Amino acid sequence: DTEVTQTPKHLVMGMTNKKSLKCEQHMGHRAMYWYKQKAKKPPELMFVYSYEKLSINESVPSRFSPECPNSSLLNLHLHALQPEDSALYLCASSQGTYNSPLHFGNGTRLTVT
Amino acid sequence: QKEVEQNSGPLSVPEGAIASLNCTYSDRGSQSFFWYRQYSGKSPELIMSIYSNGDKEDGRFTAQLNKASQYVSLLIRDSQPSDSATYLCAVNILPENQGGKLIFGQGTELSVKP
Repeated sequence: DTEVTQTPKHLVMGMTNKKSLKCEQHMGHRAMYWYKQKAKKPPELMFVYSYEKLSINESVPSRFSPECPNSSLLNLHLHALQPEDSALYLCASSQGTYNSPLHFGNGTRLTVT
Repeated sequence: QKEVEQNSGPLSVPEGAIASLNCTYSDRGSQSFFWYRQYSGKSPELIMSIYSNGDKEDGRFTAQLNKASQYVSLLIRDSQPSDSATYLCAVNILPENQGGKLIFGQGTELSVKP
């Protein structure tokens, strides 16, 4: 069982909808991540939060808005998405040091219609 | 040049054979390296981490690191059909004070034939 929990598992939304992806970890990790993965491609980094502060934004379009309410929670707010944004969205956490592996949640499969 | 490169495969080996997966990286300052396994439709699962030159063994898995050659490899001994998956090489690019930045290679698809 994964120790990083993502909800929902599946999400279908229209281009005018607003939705949120949620991620929770209880491993005491200090860094949390959002990755996007398209079929047959590797995970692609979107955002990194370190100690609840946004430390890395990989030039992600503003229609994706991350939020870290506390050290255990990470949200990704979605608005006015495009069909090409359909993908598997992965949340991960780590201790935040250079030698810390990332622990991934099971992901949210997003379809934009 | 891509930051992390892998042969995409597919790599096909018979059951019981050794599977060899390779990865090169471009940032000479990288200090930590990981191998993840990803089954179709699932999320990546950590298999091995390695930080020092040489070999690191864990059960049927051996990770090898050569920083001078900027090369990381994963050997899977006694391959089983259940090992059939995509194997992702990942390199942590500093800065550490920003939580690190884990970059993945394209992944190698491994197929173990019974």
